[in-house]
Amino acid sequence: AQSVTQPDIHITVSEGASLELRCNYSYGATPYLFWYVQSPGQGLQLLLKYFSGDTLVQGIKGFEAEFKRSQSSFNLRKPSVHWSDAAEYFCAVGASWGKLQFGAGTQVVVTP
Amino acid sequence: GAVVSQHPSWVICKSGTSVKIECRSLDFQATTMFWYRQFPKQSLMLMATSNEGSKATYEQGVEKDKFLINHASLTLSTLTVTSAHPEDSSFYICSTGGGTGQGNTEAFFGQGTRLTVV
Repeated sequence: AQSVTQPDIHITVSEGASLELRCNYSYGATPYLFWYVQSPGQGLQLLLKYFSGDTLVQGIKGFEAEFKRSQSSFNLRKPSVHWSDAAEYFCAVGASWGKLQFGAGTQVVVTP
Repeated sequence: GAVVSQHPSWVICKSGTSVKIECRSLDFQATTMFWYRQFPKQSLMLMATSNEGSKATYEQGVEKDKFLINHASLTLSTLTVTSAHPEDSSFYICSTGGGTGQGNTEAFFGQGTRLTVV
């Protein structure tokens, strides 16, 4: 069975510091992997995606993620966070773009 | 990217009434749409796959007679919560791809609908 695990429910980071959000998945085949961000009461915005090729993926807003098959991980990183990065972040996996299974989410709080 | 519009953004209804939520793809034709539900402080859970011109496919545990899905055109899917109860209060989000045919590489989400049943 497929599953997505985001071990960190809540992360607090200082503005300007680096951020890393963890995502581990279990999937029977090579998955499509996504990171989405959700602001309170809003829909989801795609940060980046991985299907194949270069395992280091660049996304919007300065985010990047690295696919590590051996570790079944797809961790999201940002070198220097901004106050506007405070939001809920979801890792998702699927056989294609559509039918996705989401992790539980990680709430990011940015302190001054 | 593609634009997906969901309406209404929020709705309050009385127990026992029905509520219809619309999901429109504004700039492309979508043969498939997905409906998710998100309870407070929780992740999104797929409810059903909406297929244009055919019956929706529901995930295990989702009552198809309670959550009626209609996908009558390539630009509109609707989710009707029938005989709503307070436990149906949730955030409902639809998604779809960038269009028919091949080449879709990401899902586009509506802005969501906050349903509160009182």
